[in-house]
Parts: sequence; C-alpha cells; structure tokens
Amino acid sequence: KNQVEQSPQSLIILEGKNCTLQCNYTVSPFSNLRWYKQDTGRGPVSLTIMTFSENTKSNGRYTATLDADTKQSSLHITASQLSDSASYICVVIVADSWGKLQFGAGTQVVVTP
Amino acid sequence: GAVVSQHPSRVICKSGTSVKIECRSLDFQATTMFWYRQFPKQSLMLMATSNEGSKATYEQGVEKDKFLINHASLTLSTLTVTSAHPEDSSFYICSARRTTLETQYFGPGTRLLVL
Repeated sequence: KNQVEQSPQSLIILEGKNCTLQCNYTVSPFSNLRWYKQDTGRGPVSLTIMTFSENTKSNGRYTATLDADTKQSSLHITASQLSDSASYICVVIVADSWGKLQFGAGTQVVVTP
Repeated sequence: GAVVSQHPSRVICKSGTSVKIECRSLDFQATTMFWYRQFPKQSLMLMATSNEGSKATYEQGVEKDKFLINHASLTLSTLTVTSAHPEDSSFYICSARRTTLETQYFGPGTRLLVL
C-alpha cells in the first residue's frame, strides 16, 4: 500500500476557478512534505516545502496546508490559469539517513477555457 | 534555484542496444544523485541512489547489471540501459542534491523508446 495517497485522481476545472487537492500520508518518521508540479513530459518542479511545525505555505496562487497530527495536506490553487494544467504530486520525505522521498500518485489537473 | 539537466531529452533505439543518459547539476555540487523511472499516468519510482565515487544502491527489483549507474564526479551521473527491450521504454528522471538535509532538484527527464 502506498504510504502517500492523493485525491482526486484527476479533475477538470474552469479557468479562473479555485480547486483543492488532498494528500494523506502514513510515512514515519516524517521530515517534511512537498508539493511538486509536473508538466507533461517534464521533470517535477517544487511548489512548496513544509516542515512538521508549519501549517501553511504559499507560493503565488498556490497555498499548501499541513496537519501533522492527522497526517493530511492540501494544495489550493486560486484563480486557476490554463498553465496550471499539470500533475500535482505530494511527496513526503522520510526522516532517515537517506532522506528518502515517498511519492503520491499525483492529481492530474486540467484547466479548461 | 539549482538547475539539473539531462541529455538526451528523447532517444529512440533498437532492441538489444545500449543507451546512456546523462544527468548534470549545473550550478552546484551534488553529493547524491537519484534515478527514477515513470510510466504513463504513474508516479516516479526510485530506481537507484548514487553517491559520488561509490557504487550505486539499487531499489528492490531493479537489475543493477541492466541499469548501470556511474557517478564519477560531483556534477555528473550517467545511467546506461544495457540490452534495451521494449518494456524498458519509459520516462527516466534524475535528481540531485547537495546534502541529505537539502531538497532534491529534478532534471527535465529523458523519454526512452525502445523499438
């Protein structure tokens, strides 16, 4: 079973609308959690990084939240643009000597005009 | 932010041939580099971790004799897919980081198609 579960698997939204992506994890010990944006045929690009003590982190129109007690995170996209169409991947970093990454399967977002 | 490049971006080869993919950290020294494989609509799967100057550590199920990894310098790692087969067709992504406490920076990926 994947230790990082994302939902929904995919979603379609109208340009200008907001959306929220969910990430639940069971990874332990926890170091930090990151959201990445991956355009088709490209490598992932980091959007936000949050440690255990951080609840919210923003990067432009992207706002991530983290509840370390319930092991849940969300990524909110405000006023979506066509360029936001991509896969959004939740990644949890394990607090071990390797700093191993545990990847979610991603949420495929399609923004339509 | 740190920049990681990969070359080539796309490669098509015949079954049975070997293909080499390069991963470079352009503006920092990467003590550790990682190689991932990603199939369509799936997430990244770690193949191996390599530290400069030492042998790579492969994930369970990844054949080290088939996927040869060399991390000869602090800015370059190579992945060689030997005797490629159509099932090796995939998107290969590398990442690099300075130290364990720092983030991994991902390359743009290499699309491999084996005919």
